[in-house]
Amino acid sequence: DAKTTQPTSMDCAEGRAANLPCNHSTISGNEYVYWYRQIHSQGPQYIIHGLKNNETNEMASLIITEDRKSSTLILPHATLRDTAVYYCIVCWPGGTSYGKLTFGQGTILTVHP
Amino acid sequence: SAVISQKPSRDICQRGTSLTIQCQVDSQVTMMFWYRQQPGQSLTLIATANQGSEATYESGFVIDKFPISRPNLTFSTLTVSNMSPEDSSIYLCSVIQGYSTEAFFGQGTRLTVV
Repeated sequence: DAKTTQPTSMDCAEGRAANLPCNHSTISGNEYVYWYRQIHSQGPQYIIHGLKNNETNEMASLIITEDRKSSTLILPHATLRDTAVYYCIVCWPGGTSYGKLTFGQGTILTVHP
Repeated sequence: SAVISQKPSRDICQRGTSLTIQCQVDSQVTMMFWYRQQPGQSLTLIATANQGSEATYESGFVIDKFPISRPNLTFSTLTVSNMSPEDSSIYLCSVIQGYSTEAFFGQGTRLTVV
C-alpha cells in the first residue's frame, strides 16, 4: 500500500472549516483514499473514501488532486466533537488486501471554542 | 452499519496468564479483523479471522501468541497468551459487511498486564 504523509497536528476554531491534508505521491492507479478518525478512547470511525473524483457525504468532503498525489479532507463546520486523530489511508480494497487497513500516525485535530 | 460488541472492555491481568477477547456483531459480516493499538501509537493489523479455518496472520504475529477463532459469521475471539507487560495495548475488532469496503470497529479492549 502507498505511504501517506499527514501533519502531526492541526487546530481549528469551532464553526470554521477544518481542512486536513494528506500526501500520497506513490499512490497507484487502483488504490483508493480512505479517511477514518479516532475519537479518544473509541474505535476508529469511517468518514469517507474516493478514487479520483471529489466525494461528499453527511460528514465531510474529500478533494483529490487531478494527479491523485494528494488529497484534503474537509469538515465544513467543525464542532468540539470533531476533536480526534484523523487517518488518511491509501489502499486497494480487493484481493488479499480486502478490508485490511494500514494506519499511519494521523493528524491530531483539536477544535477550539 | 454494524454494531460491534467487544468484551471485556478492559482488564488487568497478571503476566504469564492468557485473556480471551470476544467480538460479537449484530449481523452477518464478510470479514473480521483484529488490530492492536499500543500506548500512544497507531493501529496495527494482527490477523484476519477466517470463518471455519485458521486465521491469516500479519508479519510479526503468530498463532501461538494470538490464537483466533471465528466459528460463524457474527462472532470471533482473540486470545492473548502468556502475557507480558509488552502486551499492554488496546485490542480492536473490525468488520466488513457484504461487498462494502467500509470498516466498522468495536470500542476496543484495554488490556493492562502487570
